[in-house]
Amino acid sequence: NAGVTQTPKFQVLKTGQSMTLQCAQDMNHNSMYWYRQDPGMGLRLIYYSASEGTTDKGEVPNGYNVSRLNKREFSLRLESAAPSQTSVYFCASNFMETSTQYFGPGTRLTVL
Amino acid sequence: AQTVTQSQPEMSVQEAETVTLSCTYDTSENNYYLFWYKQPPSRQMILVIRQEAYKQQNATENRFSVNFQKAAKSFSLKISDSQLGDTAMYFCAFMKGYSGGGADGLTFGKGTHLIIQP
Repeated sequence: NAGVTQTPKFQVLKTGQSMTLQCAQDMNHNSMYWYRQDPGMGLRLIYYSASEGTTDKGEVPNGYNVSRLNKREFSLRLESAAPSQTSVYFCASNFMETSTQYFGPGTRLTVL
Repeated sequence: AQTVTQSQPEMSVQEAETVTLSCTYDTSENNYYLFWYKQPPSRQMILVIRQEAYKQQNATENRFSVNFQKAAKSFSLKISDSQLGDTAMYFCAFMKGYSGGGADGLTFGKGTHLIIQP
C-alpha cells in the first residue's frame, strides 16, 4: 500500500498561472481533504469530500476548486495563482472505523 | 466553529526527561475526536495518539499518553523518556463526530516546536 500520494512534490508558478495538485489514496477511504500549511498557522482546511460525488468548502476555500474524480482521487486546482497561495499543501484521507486521517507527503508551492 | 489553542510555541527538554504539551479547545459539540500529530523536519504528518470524547479513559501509546479533561476542554500530551527522534512540531487537532454523511475536516492548533537536547 502506498497510502496517500501527492504530485508534484515541489512547484514554482508565476502569478496568474494555473495548476492542479493531484492526490490519490489506495486505502478505500470514503472521505478526502485538502489542507494548506503556512508558517506559524498550523494546517487549515481548504476543501473536503465526505464521500464520492460530494465536495464542501472548508475554512479557506477562496481561489481554489476541487474535483473528486472517483473514490481514489481528489484534485485541487488553482485557476489563477497568487503569491498569497504560496504554501505547503497536504492531502489526507479518513479511515472511518477509527476516525483517523492519514496524510500525504505534501506539495511545496511557491508563487512568484 | 471549533477552535484549538496551543499556548506553547516552543519547548526544550533534555533527553530522557518527561515533557507535557498543552492544548485547549472550544466546541459546542458533544461527540468529537481529538488527536496529536507529529511533524518532523521531513514535514510528514504522523499520528501520535487519538482520543474519543465519549471515552473517559485517557489514551496511551507506548511513551505517549494524554490527559483528557472534557469539562475543562483540555487535551495535553505527555511524552515520557523523551528521545532525540521526538524533536518535531506537534499539532493538536479536533474533529467532529460523524453526522452520517462522512467525516468533517480537522481543526488544528498552531503547533508546539519540541526540541529534545542530548
